[in-house]
Amino acid sequence: DQQVKQNSPSLSVQEGRISILNCDYTNSMFDYFLWYKKYPAEGPTFLISISSIKDKNEDGRFTVFLNKSAKHLSLHIVPSQPGDSAVYFCAASITGNQFYFGTGTSLTVIP
Amino acid sequence: DAGVTQSPTHLIKTRGQHVTLRCSPISGHKSVSWYQQVLGQGPQFIFQYYEKEERGRGNFPDRFSARQFPNYSSELNVNALLLGDSALYLCSSSPARYGEQYFGPGTRLTVT
Repeated sequence: DQQVKQNSPSLSVQEGRISILNCDYTNSMFDYFLWYKKYPAEGPTFLISISSIKDKNEDGRFTVFLNKSAKHLSLHIVPSQPGDSAVYFCAASITGNQFYFGTGTSLTVIP
Repeated sequence: DAGVTQSPTHLIKTRGQHVTLRCSPISGHKSVSWYQQVLGQGPQFIFQYYEKEERGRGNFPDRFSARQFPNYSSELNVNALLLGDSALYLCSSSPARYGEQYFGPGTRLTVT
């Protein structure tokens, strides 16, 4: 039972443009969400988080948006850079304890 | 500061054997969690330990067990290995019981 879903397995974007990665969840009890980036042969690297009391959180080129009514969150990367090419996972939890991960979206930024 | 470290990096075992994976958290972090990631999937939660006590358990059989030591390092044990246990096992640490997790590079387990 996949409680967190990333329906786009892959995404290609031109360098300098915006990358938008999407994530949907089914459990309305989730109140803490994170995005991770993963390179091959490495563990996931934390990018940005958002609590359910907010609808937006920004950190440099990365912005996460949360739409609780739609049970949807998205990660915006502006401007996209070739070094951003990686697999991106969203994760959700209840009170930031046990995390449920999506299946990942492979982002390719084309120079 | 060193990040989360895991050992070994790779491991090959035969069906029915036992395996122990080790994890050292970031200095000062008291929470350690274990995740299993099979090819093409996201990490799946196995255990969380905080202050040496089990604080959460995912939907895994009793063949999976773990413990946390006084120095906050942790071991994941898997008995009676099955082919389906082949995966990347990730350890994460966190300064508190709740909050963002910092992951190690993982241990790649192959069961033949």
